[in-house]
Amino acid sequence: DTGVSQDPRHKITKRGQNVTFRCDPISEHNRLYWYRQTLGQGPEFLTYFQNEAQLEKSRLLSDRFSAERPKGSFSTLEIQRTEQGDSAMYLCASSLMGVIDYGYTFGSGTRLTVV
Amino acid sequence: AQRVTQPEKLLSVFKGAPVELKCNYSYSGSPELFWYVQYSRQRLQLLLRHISRESIKGFTADLNKGETSFHLKKPFAQEEDSAMYYCALHNAGGTSYGKLTFGQGTILTVHP
Repeated sequence: DTGVSQDPRHKITKRGQNVTFRCDPISEHNRLYWYRQTLGQGPEFLTYFQNEAQLEKSRLLSDRFSAERPKGSFSTLEIQRTEQGDSAMYLCASSLMGVIDYGYTFGSGTRLTVV
Repeated sequence: AQRVTQPEKLLSVFKGAPVELKCNYSYSGSPELFWYVQYSRQRLQLLLRHISRESIKGFTADLNKGETSFHLKKPFAQEEDSAMYYCALHNAGGTSYGKLTFGQGTILTVHP
């Protein structure tokens, strides 16, 4: 297990296009989180899963955003009809429920640029 | 609502000098706080957590509930400490258990 993997590392897309990102967490971690980070800001919470259940969604997530974790393993984050304001680093992290004491393990992120 | 404030965006010190990165929080419950670090071209990683009262890479952080602070300190800074540091607050309540709220981060530069 090489930790949390995110794909792609970089994505450049034209405004109005749809994009999908993938996150593969650490295999035994049942919690998976998506965060967004813009320049000069700390990571902002988007959504998280416990196994396949999406437990919370931030108000930052408009209807254009959707996330899934179909089998409780990998997760996808889709953005429809991208806007320039969606340009950011999208971070995925995983953890074991009940052991937040040990913190998250983050992926390297997917940097989205909307032109 | 919970909030984490890191008042300094940039902090510069010379090698061997003490360093303190400030973090203040706002939270109605019993706080659980962390420091995360991101070195150049690396992913965000956990540095230390308040419940363990540990020292990692010479850094310590003490939770001060009276001042609602969790400042990160190191007595003698090293050049390899140069990085972005984030303070984070864990939401331990209800369905939001496990969610972290991050501060805006402080870029620490240690000059030779």
